[in-house]
Amino acid sequence: KAGVTQTPRYLIKTRGQQVTLSCSPISGHRSVSWYQQTPGQGLQFLFEYFSETQRNKGNFPGRFSGRQFSNSRSEMNVSTLELGDSALYLCASRGVPGELFFGEGSRLTVL
Amino acid sequence: ELKVEQNPLFLSMQEGKNYTIYCNYSTTSDRLYWYRQDPGKSLESLFVLLSNGAVKQEGRLMASLDTKARLSTLHITAAVHDLSATYFCAVDWAGTASKLTFGTGTRLQVTL
Repeated sequence: KAGVTQTPRYLIKTRGQQVTLSCSPISGHRSVSWYQQTPGQGLQFLFEYFSETQRNKGNFPGRFSGRQFSNSRSEMNVSTLELGDSALYLCASRGVPGELFFGEGSRLTVL
Repeated sequence: ELKVEQNPLFLSMQEGKNYTIYCNYSTTSDRLYWYRQDPGKSLESLFVLLSNGAVKQEGRLMASLDTKARLSTLHITAAVHDLSATYFCAVDWAGTASKLTFGTGTRLQVTL
């Protein structure tokens, strides 16, 4: 059974640019959530999607957005990148009874 | 404010020793997760604790949950070097695994 797949794994951007990250959940899982991990702030919840609808949102500015497609794949977008957006972005796929399975992450570096 | 605190933040222990990592949280929740993270890697699910008094064991690791005390523990028995990693607890406030609040993590270093 394939796990959670995130692409790209590594990317480098400059301030002011935007970035789109992709996540394919485990087959059959309809919930996808996103987390940001930084050395300073730790692991923080960004948002969660279920059946193409955003159900929960963390305390991040509007520059952070996401969406989910009918096949449950999800994308998150960060616009007008700042240095502080450098982080590991983790996607999680939810199974039953509520266990979360995380992908390998996308490591974003903003220069 | 929802808070999840882990201690210690860093733990260096010798192989063969026992130790416990503590996870305290600020508001009632019946669901708590433990994850392991190796450097540069993603989060690996260790335990899902779904009710008060839940106890789960896998190899040298045992996790428990006391919802009344708002406390979970991860006990390490006879540590081995392969257990060196960072361990996170995470609380599920909504009860749906939709939005987890993570602790600060405990970096465990097991020395020979």
